[in-house]
Amino acid sequence: QKEVEQDPGPLSVPEGAIVSLNCTYSNSAFQYFMWYRQYSRKGPELLMYTYSSGNKEDGRFTAQVDKSSKYISLFIRDSQPSDSATYLCAMRPTYNQGGKLIFGQGTELSVKP
Amino acid sequence: GAVVSQHPSRVICKSGTSVKIECRSLDFQATTMFWYRQFPKQSLMLMATSNEGSKATYEQGVEKDKFLINHASLTLSTLTVTSAHPEDSSFYICSARDRVTYGYTFGSGTRLTVV
Repeated sequence: QKEVEQDPGPLSVPEGAIVSLNCTYSNSAFQYFMWYRQYSRKGPELLMYTYSSGNKEDGRFTAQVDKSSKYISLFIRDSQPSDSATYLCAMRPTYNQGGKLIFGQGTELSVKP
Repeated sequence: GAVVSQHPSRVICKSGTSVKIECRSLDFQATTMFWYRQFPKQSLMLMATSNEGSKATYEQGVEKDKFLINHASLTLSTLTVTSAHPEDSSFYICSARDRVTYGYTFGSGTRLTVV
């Protein structure tokens, strides 16, 4: 079993839709949770960063962490064609495992005009 | 915001030659840098973790003699693919961890093609 599971998709939605992306994990020591967006042939860019449980909102993006269920989500409101990309969840524990991040497989999202 | 410059963005080399990829943190110091390899439609696969001034720690299955990593300063790490072969063709990405904020910033990646 992988430490982090993420549905690879692909996920296709019409413009303006609400998108829900999810990851589950098995290591209860994970405390730092991130969502990255990666356009084709580019490096990942940080979208959201959350420590421990709770919600965080930034514009059209909302990140949720439910540590009791070991489940994190990223919601995209009013999705745009420019949101078409691969979304990667990443996480790491508080203690220092060399600081390396554990990534999900990535979900490929396509927003159709 | 934090910026990591990775060069070259694309390189084609002949089989048997070596290729060096540079990763620089432009506006912050990075005590730790990470090197990843990514295959099409797959997630990032961590190859090694490098700390400034010390030897890199390689993930299981990664040949340290083939993928040489140097992290000589707080702003520069290099990955050298030695005696490259077509199976080394891939997308290589570096990431730098800010020594102050602990944030992770990724480079834009290097597309390596070995012919």
